Amino acid sequence: AQTVTQSQPEMSVQEAETVTLSCTYDTSESDYYLFWYKQPPSRQMILVIRQEAYKQQNATENRFSVNFQKAAKSFSLKISDSQLGDAAMYFCAYSGGNQFYFGTGTSLTVIP
Amino acid sequence: GAVVSQHPSRVICKSGTSVKIECRSLDFQATTMFWYRQFPKQSLMLMATSNEGSKATYEQGVEKDKFLINHASLTLSTLTVTSAHPEDSSFYICSARDAGLGGEKLFFGSGTQLSVL
Repeated sequence: AQTVTQSQPEMSVQEAETVTLSCTYDTSESDYYLFWYKQPPSRQMILVIRQEAYKQQNATENRFSVNFQKAAKSFSLKISDSQLGDAAMYFCAYSGGNQFYFGTGTSLTVIP
Repeated sequence: GAVVSQHPSRVICKSGTSVKIECRSLDFQATTMFWYRQFPKQSLMLMATSNEGSKATYEQGVEKDKFLINHASLTLSTLTVTSAHPEDSSFYICSARDAGLGGEKLFFGSGTQLSVL
């Protein structure tokens, strides 16, 4: 069965600094997608970044980038120049076949 | 970006009644929609995968007779909580898969907070 693991239930970062959130997953599929979603207090799920497993190049979206290690089944999110608005729950997610699963989440606090 | 509309955003009902939650993809066709349940400060728990024109696939432990899912069109899926009880109180979120040009993406509704008295 596919699983997604986030080993950091809580993280904090100083404003303008960089933070990395960890995610590992388990799958027997060769083709799949990985995502990071942000859930602010409003509880609306917001897509942060997406990675296609067949692409070796790490995805980037402005201040957000990933370190995708397919062999290690690792998919970490790096947030650069952290802003107060980045404070939220961050969920790593896996999509393969017809399934879509989330990790347990990491609560990110940004310290002014 | 794509929009998924979920209604109602909040519902309060009496124990024993049924509640229907709608999830619509507004600007794309979603052959697959997912229904999640989220408890406070916890992750999204996948309840079922809803495929257009076929029966939903339920995750282990989710009662299919209690949580009825209908996906009659490419833009609409509904979740009906039948004979609701206080333990069904939760935040329910739908999502729709867009597998069009640009690769796969999943878009979320804004969620429904269900409170059963």
